[in-house]
Amino acid sequence: NAGVMQNPRHLVRRRGQEARLRCSPMKGHSHVYWYRQLPEEGLKFMVYLQKENIIDESGMPKERFSAEFPKEGPSILRIQQVVRGDSAAYFCASSTRSGRETQYFGPGTRLLVL
Amino acid sequence: DQQVKQNSPSLSVQEGRISILNCDYTNSMFDYFLWYKKYPAEGPTFLISISSIKDKNEDGRFTVFLNKSAKHLSLHIVPSQPGDSAVYFCAANDKAAGNKLTFGGGTRVLVKP
Repeated sequence: NAGVMQNPRHLVRRRGQEARLRCSPMKGHSHVYWYRQLPEEGLKFMVYLQKENIIDESGMPKERFSAEFPKEGPSILRIQQVVRGDSAAYFCASSTRSGRETQYFGPGTRLLVL
Repeated sequence: DQQVKQNSPSLSVQEGRISILNCDYTNSMFDYFLWYKKYPAEGPTFLISISSIKDKNEDGRFTVFLNKSAKHLSLHIVPSQPGDSAVYFCAANDKAAGNKLTFGGGTRVLVKP
């Protein structure tokens, strides 16, 4: 049973470009979470999605960031017009359902903005 | 405003001895706590969790203790092994606030052979 898949593992963008990060949850999981880890810090919650629905986006920056989890295909975290401060590791996690279900994490995408 | 704090950024322990990792929280609404382990260039791996209705949970070499009055939890690893060398994150959840986890800053553990 494959775990949470994220791609790309590494992404380099120049300031002003767009970054698209993809996450495929574990088989049977319909809940997806995105977290961001800045250097030397802990992970910070960004957004929680179910298929075709954003449930909680309280951790998402108000501008330039968006997320989706379509009926078919992976969840996408999109960052428009990237700035150097967006450089971080972005982790996706998934769970079987809401409530106290363990969140299983993917390997992360390391975004570097030049 | 850091609601979950791991005040020790690093810990060094001899193989075979006990590793004790500490975590403090400020939000009294947190009622579920987890520990994750993370190797470089990998995602966090779930280790163990505890609900606020308990004060101890044990799984093999890992035991988590919760002191609600002190808003403090700890992870004990006995005996420590070189493969335990990693960064350990404490995380907390407030069910009423949804499913998001609030993480501490992590403690880097080095187990010396």
